[in-house]
Amino acid sequence: EDQVTQSPEALRLQEGESSSLNCSYTVSGLRGLFWYRQDPGKGPEFLFTLYSAGEEKEKERLKATLTKKESFLHITAPKPEDSATYLCAPRYNTDKLIFGTGTRLQVFP
Amino acid sequence: DTAVSQTPKYLVTQMGNDKSIKCEQNLGHDTMYWYKQDSKKFLKIMFSYNNKELIINETVPNRFSPKSPDKAHLNLHINSLELGDSAVYFCASSHDPQRGTDTQYFGPGTRLTVL
Repeated sequence: EDQVTQSPEALRLQEGESSSLNCSYTVSGLRGLFWYRQDPGKGPEFLFTLYSAGEEKEKERLKATLTKKESFLHITAPKPEDSATYLCAPRYNTDKLIFGTGTRLQVFP
Repeated sequence: DTAVSQTPKYLVTQMGNDKSIKCEQNLGHDTMYWYKQDSKKFLKIMFSYNNKELIINETVPNRFSPKSPDKAHLNLHINSLELGDSAVYFCASSHDPQRGTDTQYFGPGTRLTVL
C-alpha cells in the first residue's frame, strides 16, 4: 500500500527562524508530489507540484525540493502569516492523491 | 469569482437522516473529487468523476452516493447518516489527470455534524 509520512507533526518557530518540513513517500509509481497549505476552517490551498528528483520550486519564503525518497518544504525567515498546516500528497499510477497527516506550523512574533 | 464552491458550509443533522452536499466549479475542469477529513485532520479521497463518469470509488459505505449532473457539478448524497459520518467534506476539481496538468483545487469544505 502506498505510504506517506510527514514530520514533524508540529513545529513552533520564532519569526525569522528558518526550518524544513519532511515528507517521505513510497517510491514506486510516483507521478508527482503535491504540497498544499491548509488554514483552520478552510480547504487546502495548492502550493507546488514536483515531478522528478532534483526538481525545486520556490514561492516567496517557501522552497520545495524532491529527492528519490522524500520531499522537503524549506521555510526561510518565516512570518506569523506562514502559520498553517502543510500537507504533502504524492500521486501514483492510480491517479489518487495520498495525503499525509500534515505538519502544523506555528510562527510566533 | 469563486473557483470551487460548496453548500452548505455547515450541516447539523440527526442520525438516520438523509442529506446532500453540493459542489460547483467554474474552472472549466473535467474531473471532480470528494474527500473526507476526519477529526485527526486526515484527508482521504472518496470518489472522483471525469466528464460525469465515476473513475475512483474508494471503500466507502454505499450510503454515500455521488451524482454528477454535468462537468461543473458533483453532489454527494448520504443516506441513513451515522455518528461516524461526522467530518469535514471537501470537493476538489482538476483537469483530466491523464493529460498531465492535474493540480487539484479545493473548495472551502462542508462541516457535517451528526447528532
